[in-house]
Amino acid sequence: AQSVAQPEDQVNVAEGNPLTVKCTYSVSGNPYLFWYVQYPNRGLQFLLKYITGDNLVKGSYGFEAEFNKSQTSFHLKKPSALVSDSALYFCAVRDNFGNEKLTFGTGTRLTIIP
Amino acid sequence: AAGVIQSPRHLIKEKRETATLKCYPIPRHDTVYWYQQGPGQDPQFLISFYEKMQSDKGSIPDRFSAQQFSDYHSELNMSSLELGDSALYFCASSYSGRSNTGELFFGEGSRLTVL
Repeated sequence: AQSVAQPEDQVNVAEGNPLTVKCTYSVSGNPYLFWYVQYPNRGLQFLLKYITGDNLVKGSYGFEAEFNKSQTSFHLKKPSALVSDSALYFCAVRDNFGNEKLTFGTGTRLTIIP
Repeated sequence: AAGVIQSPRHLIKEKRETATLKCYPIPRHDTVYWYQQGPGQDPQFLISFYEKMQSDKGSIPDRFSAQQFSDYHSELNMSSLELGDSALYFCASSYSGRSNTGELFFGEGSRLTVL
């Protein structure tokens, strides 16, 4: 069964500093990995994905993520944090590209301190 | 661009009542997914439909049922509501064909409160 783990419930970063939100995955085949962001009382917004190709993927709002197969990780990063980045971030995995569901991690609450 | 539409956005029910949530996927999307997100929880997969047939089933209670109609919209029916059913219910859609981009597109959710 596929799964992702987000080891940190909460991450605090000073505005302007780089941020990292961690995610590790477990799948039986090739992983299809995603990051979503959720603002209070809102839906899940897609940030970026890794399907194949370059290990460093770039997404919305200046976020990027690095796929590391040997460490089975897909950490979310941003070089310079903004206060508006404060939100709940979910890592997710899909087994394949058909009609398979997404399985989410437990989420990491990112707080950017002014 | 058109997004996933969910209705109602907010719903308040009493225990043992019935509720129906609706989801209208992005045009041309053939797969619909339902998720339940409790307070402070990650979204939990309930059920999905592909081309109007159930394609996968997760932790959906027997009191809940869902279907996808000929126009691809989907409805989640919840009966004998319990306090623990209070949650944010998300619908997502995707296209499984050759132009599949991989991600699921989520609606804004329907917040159900059971009193």
